[in-house]
Amino acid sequence: SYVLTQPPSVSVAPGQTARIACGGNNIGDKSVHWYQQKPGQAPMLVVYDDSDRPSGIPERFSGSNSGNTATLAISRVEAADEADYYCQVWDSSSDVYVFGAGTKVTVL
Amino acid sequence: EAQLVESGGDLVLPGGSLRLSCAASGFTFTSYWMYWVRQGPGKGLEWVSRVHRDGNRPTYADSVKGRFTISRDNAKNTLYLQMNSLRVEDTAVYYCARVGPAALDDPFDLWGRGTMVTVSS
Repeated sequence: SYVLTQPPSVSVAPGQTARIACGGNNIGDKSVHWYQQKPGQAPMLVVYDDSDRPSGIPERFSGSNSGNTATLAISRVEAADEADYYCQVWDSSSDVYVFGAGTKVTVL
Repeated sequence: EAQLVESGGDLVLPGGSLRLSCAASGFTFTSYWMYWVRQGPGKGLEWVSRVHRDGNRPTYADSVKGRFTISRDNAKNTLYLQMNSLRVEDTAVYYCARVGPAALDDPFDLWGRGTMVTVSS
C-alpha cells in the first residue's frame, strides 16, 4: 500500500518560514492536498493539487511537488498557524485515499 | 453556505452496532462523491469509505471491510455509515466529507464537525 511520510514536528519562530515535507514513492506523479487541523476542530483544506489555494487561504501558504517529495511552506509564520498539518493523495492503483501521519507545527 | 452535520455517535460495547448520519445542505448533494474519514484519539486521519453520487460502487478501507456499510439517500441529502461488529480500535471521531465534483483525486474540500464513537466495555 502507498505510504506518505511526514516529520512528526516542525518548530519555527514567528515571521520565519515553516516547511513541511511529505515523502512518497513518485509522489510527483500524484495530486497532493494539504489540510490544517487545530485542536478540537475538523481538518481544513489549505492547499490542493500540489500548489493551489482555496478561496480565503492566505498567500503565505504555498505548495510544491516533485520526484518523491511534496512540500507545504508557510511563510511569515504567525501564532495562529500553530496546528497539525496533513498531506493526502489518492492512490489510483489501489483506489485508496492515503493521509500522512501529520506534522505538528509549533510557533516558538 | 455549504455544510455537513454528523450525528449518531455514542458509547457502544465491543461487537455492537451503530449508525451514523450526515446531513448535507447548501450544495448540490448529488454532484459529489461522499466519504467517511475517522480520527482515533491522538491519532491521524484515516479514510474509511466512499460512495458514488448515485449511491452505488461503495468502497472501504481494509480495516472496516465486511463490517461497515456506506449508503446515501439523495432525496434527503443524507449520508449514512452502518457500523457492525465494532471493535475497540474503531473508537474515533468520524467525519463526513465530500470530494469532487470533477475527479476522484480532488481534495476533501468540505468537512463536517465530526461525531464521536467510543467502543468500550
